[in-house]
Amino acid sequence: DAKTTQPPSMDCAEGRAANLPCNHSTISGNEYVYWYRQIHSQGPQYIIHGLKNNETNEMASLIITEDRKSSTLILPHATLRDTAVYYCIVRVGRVGQFYFGTGTSLTVIP
Amino acid sequence: DSGVTQTPKHLITATGQRVTLRCSPRSGDLSVYWYQQSLDQGLQFLIQYYNGEERAKGNILERFSAQQFPDLHSELNLSSLELGDSALYFCASSVQGSSGSSEQYFGPGTRLTVT
Repeated sequence: DAKTTQPPSMDCAEGRAANLPCNHSTISGNEYVYWYRQIHSQGPQYIIHGLKNNETNEMASLIITEDRKSSTLILPHATLRDTAVYYCIVRVGRVGQFYFGTGTSLTVIP
Repeated sequence: DSGVTQTPKHLITATGQRVTLRCSPRSGDLSVYWYQQSLDQGLQFLIQYYNGEERAKGNILERFSAQQFPDLHSELNLSSLELGDSALYFCASSVQGSSGSSEQYFGPGTRLTVT
């Protein structure tokens, strides 16, 4: 039931921007895009979400294309602590349960 | 710290037994979600409660059940345990239970090992 497609893994040099892509070509007009990350076996951590406009918070920026079929999560200055699995989620259904795909394993390299 | 608490952190039990996992949501959150994460399945949504009532079911086995109490804490009951039930169980909470913008905050999880 995953409605998103992400590359399985990516590397990023420490201090550089990490750009994580996500395709969600079947997204509906009122469905939000959420990003979470999971470090080792810790609980998933909320990063950011958006509907159609670009969003920015203290952790990251979210760029959503005009047709809303894809988005990019940007970590502006990646650190070693950003090494994690990043999940792009399109919230499914009226009641808001998340369906997690396989995510992107991001490795930040010193 | 997300504000969601889960107990116990670790649980080791034998096949055929029954266990109860507990979750306390963030203050003010009415919705509680349960997820299972095993090595071969990834994160799977199990069930959601909103203000004491079941709101949605996912891939939850009949041997599993849950409830949300008047103080909004929730319990996930797992019975007739099998080796394949060994997994991390996460609880998440959110303010809303219906459509719209409402992020979920996850607890640290309970690691269940069935031997």
